[in-house]
Amino acid sequence: GDSVTQMEGPVTLSEEAFLTINCTYTATGYPSLFWYVQYPGEGLQLLLKATKADDKGSNKGFEATYRKETTSFHLEKGSVQVSDSAVYFCALLHGSGNTGKLIFGQGTTLQVKP
Amino acid sequence: ETGVTQSPTHLIKTRGQQVTLRCSSQSGHNTVSWYQQALGQGPQFIFQYYREEENGRGNFPPRFSGLQFPNYSSELNVNALELDDSALYLCASSLGVTGKETQYFGPGTRLLVL
Repeated sequence: GDSVTQMEGPVTLSEEAFLTINCTYTATGYPSLFWYVQYPGEGLQLLLKATKADDKGSNKGFEATYRKETTSFHLEKGSVQVSDSAVYFCALLHGSGNTGKLIFGQGTTLQVKP
Repeated sequence: ETGVTQSPTHLIKTRGQQVTLRCSSQSGHNTVSWYQQALGQGPQFIFQYYREEENGRGNFPPRFSGLQFPNYSSELNVNALELDDSALYLCASSLGVTGKETQYFGPGTRLLVL
């Protein structure tokens, strides 16, 4: 079945460092791909998305490109801030018939130190 | 525009009891999905509701049931609570039901079963 694999955390960076969080997926068809972020004690916030191959999603300085050839959707940011500290989830939208089910990776914790 | 809201924020129950969690969808959204997020894990799809009917279900037992109301709000009911039901329960809303819609999450209800 469909699945998502993220790099293990925690990832600890200094402020202004470059961030990459790896995400690969296994899926039949051409799912939409998402990054959600979860701040401590909160629900999930949509960070960015891409709906087809070679699409680049971007938001708040974060970017991810839908790579069909490598089945990847890696999250990047050029300069992280302390406020980016959170758990990041990669997900694919599995459409079975008319049911849209999100399948999530296990999450990657990011800690940014001043 | 009103986002997804959930109530209550926290809940403590004992094993064997029943619980009802509530969700109001984002303004204009007619589809609600429920997810269970165990500590340290990614969310798992429970089921989806559209036009007051279940529109797809994940790998959860029948003691997990739901309702959707004409105003698109929804309830998640769990009977015969078990210790492993302790988790963050997330509701997500979306518009339409092609299986390709972006889902927007609420803050979640944290359930503790003792």
